[in-house]
Amino acid sequence: NAGVTQTPKFHILKIGQSMTLQCTQDMNHNYMYWYRQDPGMGLKLIYYSVGAGITDKGEVPNGYNVSRSTTEDFPLRLELAAPSQTSVYFCASSSLTPLQGYNQPQHFGDGTRLSIL
Amino acid sequence: GENVEQHPSTLSVQEGDSAVIKCTYSDSASNYFPWYKQELGKGPQLIIDIRSNVGEKKDQRIAVTLNKTAKHFSLHITETQPEDSAVYFCAAPKGEYGNKLVFGTGTILRVKS
Repeated sequence: NAGVTQTPKFHILKIGQSMTLQCTQDMNHNYMYWYRQDPGMGLKLIYYSVGAGITDKGEVPNGYNVSRSTTEDFPLRLELAAPSQTSVYFCASSSLTPLQGYNQPQHFGDGTRLSIL
Repeated sequence: GENVEQHPSTLSVQEGDSAVIKCTYSDSASNYFPWYKQELGKGPQLIIDIRSNVGEKKDQRIAVTLNKTAKHFSLHITETQPEDSAVYFCAAPKGEYGNKLVFGTGTILRVKS
């Protein structure tokens, strides 16, 4: 069982370039999330999705875009990369339904370490 | 909205000793409190969680306690081992359905052998 898979693991990007971070999960989870992790700052929510075709902003969405065309995939797009977007990015998924209760664990991938120079 | 504070930011203990990490939250309606462990180069992994209808939950050497009146919850690790060295995060739910999490800033635990 692969769980949540993120690619690439590492990447160096030049200022002003664009790129897409990939995330896929094989647990048939309806919720998916993108976080960034900066030293000493914990995890900050960028965007999340409650299912295919439905996305919403988190705490720090500026400079990012997402789409959710399938249950499995939730790519994160960086447009016009800036040095402030240097971070470690984590994707997570969870199974949340009214029947199961909304308070369920999130399952994380191993992250993409992105440097913007 | 929910705000979570976590202390201490770093904790060093001798192998075999206990470690305690404490978190406070602001939203009295919050009812789910997970703890995650993050090893170097890996994503956070859930190690234990507690819901508001219980005050304590144990899983082998790990326990979590919840004080809803004071709005704080704590992670207790007994008989620490070198493999417990990692970063630990607490979290609390946010949003209309609690379908988002707010994370604490993390505690670096070092277990010295």
